[in-house]
Amino acid sequence: GAGVSQSPSNKVTEKGKDVELRCDPISGHTALYWYRQSLGQGLEFLIYFQGNSAPDKSGLPSDRFSAERTGGSVSTLTIQRTQQEDSAVYLCASSLGPAGGQETQYFGPGTRLLVL
Amino acid sequence: QKEVEQNSGPLSVPEGAIASLNCTYSDRGSQSFFWYRQYSGKSPELIMFIYSNGDKEDGRFTAQLNKASQYVSLLIRDSQPSDSATYLCAGGRGGGADGLTFGKGTHLIIQP
Repeated sequence: GAGVSQSPSNKVTEKGKDVELRCDPISGHTALYWYRQSLGQGLEFLIYFQGNSAPDKSGLPSDRFSAERTGGSVSTLTIQRTQQEDSAVYLCASSLGPAGGQETQYFGPGTRLLVL
Repeated sequence: QKEVEQNSGPLSVPEGAIASLNCTYSDRGSQSFFWYRQYSGKSPELIMFIYSNGDKEDGRFTAQLNKASQYVSLLIRDSQPSDSATYLCAGGRGGGADGLTFGKGTHLIIQP
């Protein structure tokens, strides 16, 4: 079946602009995760959604970052007033569930964000 | 502070040999461990996961977990040039709320 999809694949923006990144999880996966990978760095966990539950936003790097998930499926990550240090690859992953052997995460292709 | 440590490499292995990738973790609450392969410019793809102490084999890959030593490893037998990539080790507590904690990865090069 279809994997995790993300859009756009690439985004170039000017400092100070807002950007919105989209993630479509694998059908039937209730858990959705956002990560950020900066050049030469490991993956940094940002936020997790389980179904329609409100997420824990404490992993987001600043209050310029927000995320939502509509109908327990599609998620958007919004970065307001972008800064150059926000440049990274933003990866979305989904899993069947959060635990109990269902937590294997499958990644989308990522959105490469460049802030000029 | 939850940390996963990996030697960044590069680790160079001759084609056909066994590649051994190692990882240590600091969070004793971690329950599940994952190995992902990441080619340059691509997203991570799952190689194996392991929950229990001991070995788990899948084709040319064997994952090993030692919770007492907080150590995870991945062995790749009969290494192929196509195995050249960065290998990411990750640990999770289950429950999803903290996501997975990833190491920075080991860059593996298989020499033809």
